[in-house]
Amino acid sequence: AQTVTQSQPEMSVQEAETVTLSCTYDTSESDYYLFWYKQPPSRQMILVIRQEAYKQQNATENRFSVNFQKAAKSFSLKISDSQLGDAAMYFCAYRTADSGYSTLTFGKGTMLLVSP
Amino acid sequence: DAGVIQSPRHEVTEMGQEVTLRCKPISGHNSLFWYRQTMMRGLELLIYFNNNVPIDDSGMPEDRFSAKMPNASFSTLKIQPSEPRDSAVYFCASSTGGWEKLFFGSGTQLSVL
Repeated sequence: AQTVTQSQPEMSVQEAETVTLSCTYDTSESDYYLFWYKQPPSRQMILVIRQEAYKQQNATENRFSVNFQKAAKSFSLKISDSQLGDAAMYFCAYRTADSGYSTLTFGKGTMLLVSP
Repeated sequence: DAGVIQSPRHEVTEMGQEVTLRCKPISGHNSLFWYRQTMMRGLELLIYFNNNVPIDDSGMPEDRFSAKMPNASFSTLKIQPSEPRDSAVYFCASSTGGWEKLFFGSGTQLSVL
């Protein structure tokens, strides 16, 4: 079974600074997808960014980017120019590429605190 | 589109009572998921439906939990009888399958006293 590990229960960053959230995963598959989800106090789970394992290029969405290291099974999220609205719980997630079964396995989450 | 709609948003009940959580997925989505979130265990998949058929219910904790999807626009998760350890936030999510992103509802905060 696949597992996703987020080793940082909590991280802090100041506004306008950069922060990196860590994620590692364990799988025997060669093709899969990785995601970062954000959960603000409203509880809504919001997709931040996604990466296809067969793509070497790291995904980028505005201030959010990932560092995908397939051999190391590492998938970190970098948030640049942090804003107060970025404060939330962040979940790393893994999803098999098997078209017959497409659910997500989540890590335990990292709480991001943003200070003015 | 209104997104995935869950009801109720909060539910407080007493141990032993039956609890029913409801979900309306996004129209056109053919996959539906029920997740449970707790501080100790994080987000856990309970059950996954594809085209209204349960595909994987291995995450359902025990026989007290049951889920149905009578049609493409409605699903329920029922706990009978409820226990204090069932207290959690229950999320419903839907997708078009493949690797399209999951759309989550706002969750139901369940408290069993």
